[in-house]
Amino acid sequence: GQNIDQPTEMTATEGAIVQINCTYQTSGFNGLFWYQQHAGEAPTFLSYNVLDGLEEKGRFSSFLSRSKGYSYLLLKELQMKDSASYLCAVTGFQKLVFGTGTRLLVSP
Amino acid sequence: EADIYQTPRYLVIGTGKKITLECSQTMGHDKMYWYQQDPGMELHLIHYSYGVNSTEKGDLSSESTVSRIRTEHFPLTLESARPSHTSQYLCASSDPTGLYTQYFGPGTRLTVL
Repeated sequence: GQNIDQPTEMTATEGAIVQINCTYQTSGFNGLFWYQQHAGEAPTFLSYNVLDGLEEKGRFSSFLSRSKGYSYLLLKELQMKDSASYLCAVTGFQKLVFGTGTRLLVSP
Repeated sequence: EADIYQTPRYLVIGTGKKITLECSQTMGHDKMYWYQQDPGMELHLIHYSYGVNSTEKGDLSSESTVSRIRTEHFPLTLESARPSHTSQYLCASSDPTGLYTQYFGPGTRLTVL
């Protein structure tokens, strides 16, 4: 089976840096995805990691350690619009399993 | 990225009605998925399809059914809607060139009175 853990909620200040952690246990691991979901909207794809290391995409970076079953999403230069839920998901056998998500609140 | 569409966006109906939620994508993706999500809660996979004439039940048991007669179309049907079916239904398709990254449609918010 698959098990994914993320913090329920985090708060940060505009302009700051925040790191959202995700730990997972899974069989048949193919990759780890991060999605952003604003309240009432559909998830939008942010990044994926297949190999260990850091993937950078503008203000967002994602890190993976397969041996530790650990990933994090790093958000830099936070903006108010970054207030959303961030979903960690792992894929195995071509299906995605989502964590419960981390609700990020960015304050002025 | 996929162009994926869902209709209707919002639906309010009475108990016992039959409804079909439409999902279409224009990218020719073989793999498509239906998720159910209550407000503030996690996504649950209820159906998926790996291609035409292929449908499978997901991890969360659902009274809905799906069909896949054409690659681009993956409708979800509820024969007799009940208040417990009130939720958001999200359709997705996956890109085989990018580790099967899933791209989501805008969702249908269903309310059954």
